[in-house]
Amino acid sequence: RKEVEQDPGPFNVPEGATVAFNCTYSNSASQSFFWYRQDCRKEPKLLMSVYSSGNEDGRFTAQLNRASQYISLLIRDSKLSDSATYLCVVNGGGGFKTIFGAGTRLFVKA
Amino acid sequence: DTEVTQTPKHLVMGMTNKKSLKCEQHMGHRAMYWYKQKAKKPPELMFVYSYEKLSINESVPSRFSPECPNSSLLNLHLHALQPEDSALYLCASSQDPAVEQYFGPGTRLTVT
Repeated sequence: RKEVEQDPGPFNVPEGATVAFNCTYSNSASQSFFWYRQDCRKEPKLLMSVYSSGNEDGRFTAQLNRASQYISLLIRDSKLSDSATYLCVVNGGGGFKTIFGAGTRLFVKA
Repeated sequence: DTEVTQTPKHLVMGMTNKKSLKCEQHMGHRAMYWYKQKAKKPPELMFVYSYEKLSINESVPSRFSPECPNSSLLNLHLHALQPEDSALYLCASSQDPAVEQYFGPGTRLTVT
């Protein structure tokens, strides 16, 4: 089993749609969680950190479920500019190890 | 300012060459990282420096040699690389090892 698992997609959605991504992690001692987005041939950029209480930033909402060991990202009112790969990132578990999920490809179409 | 800079942007080197990748941040971050990313794959952690000390070496071959001259700089020395080492090499930094990381634009390395 991979340490961090994501559905690779691709997700093809129309503009204005709501789309949700999930990510599961295997190490229950993991300490911190993030979503990054990566555009083609660019570096990953931090989208948001994920807190136990859940957090929202505009059209983006992230949730953490420690009991089930998954995190989620919800994108509302999708824009063409949201087309990217979304990477789930898990950190910690006794060290400084950072593990990336394989990423989920999103295509938003007009 | 969440800027991490990397030089060079592109590098082509032969298998007998020695070269170095450079990374710099001026955010006062105390943790710095090297990642390797192949096409259509996620970044893979190579090295972590925390407070200028090497904390993690993810079983990286010795032809890759990291160096942290000070808290703002991180180098990756390359020697006798193989064609399969061709990839995007990303540097990142964070306030400490458990919080969000900020990535530089990467160095695209081709080994011929």
